[in-house]
Amino acid sequence: DGGITQSPKYLFRKEGQNVTLSCEQNLNHDAMYWYRQDPGQGLRLIYYSQIVNDFQKGDIAEGYSVSREKKESFPLTVTSAQKNPTAFYLCASTHLAGGNNEQFFGPGTRLTVL
Amino acid sequence: AQRVTQPEKLLSVFKGAPVELKCNYSYSGSPELFWYVQYSRQRLQLLLRHISRESIKGFTADLNKGETSFHLKKPFAQEEDSAMYYCALSYGNKLVFGAGTILRVKS
Repeated sequence: DGGITQSPKYLFRKEGQNVTLSCEQNLNHDAMYWYRQDPGQGLRLIYYSQIVNDFQKGDIAEGYSVSREKKESFPLTVTSAQKNPTAFYLCASTHLAGGNNEQFFGPGTRLTVL
Repeated sequence: AQRVTQPEKLLSVFKGAPVELKCNYSYSGSPELFWYVQYSRQRLQLLLRHISRESIKGFTADLNKGETSFHLKKPFAQEEDSAMYYCALSYGNKLVFGAGTILRVKS
């Protein structure tokens, strides 16, 4: 199914540990996004990047960090400062040219803090 | 501020019945709106967007700027329509999503 891949599918973390979630895309998309999906709250934007070596905070960036060293990769680190990290994390990407704002989503990573 | 409201967490209908999933938005500019769907064990995917004015899988959605709404409709629900549906508003290369509505179609 290519396109956007996320790994791992499931991740378990002990309190106080940092963990990194992987997101890769082979669609040559410019922009990449990280969302957090919680029941009853929809998708909330954590961070996004429109170009390599640049990224912006979303609505709930506290306790998270990202990097965009390559166009195809946008890893998310969940730090120990994130108070409630247990959630389903979705990565997405899109072309910015042409005004087509459709975002394509990865399969997600479910993070559980033990 | 940009906001999307989906007032129903769960909508349960019988097969063959009409479906309407409600979506209201708050945005000062010219809105671009989408419906995304997430079937069980599948990734989130685009269902339709208001710009294209198309019908996908029998679903349609009309943008009503006066009522700031973008409700999703289907005249006859099918069991395979059961899924989570999200309404989303595009602004500045970003999307803001509603809380989602679970649609359950009963046989």
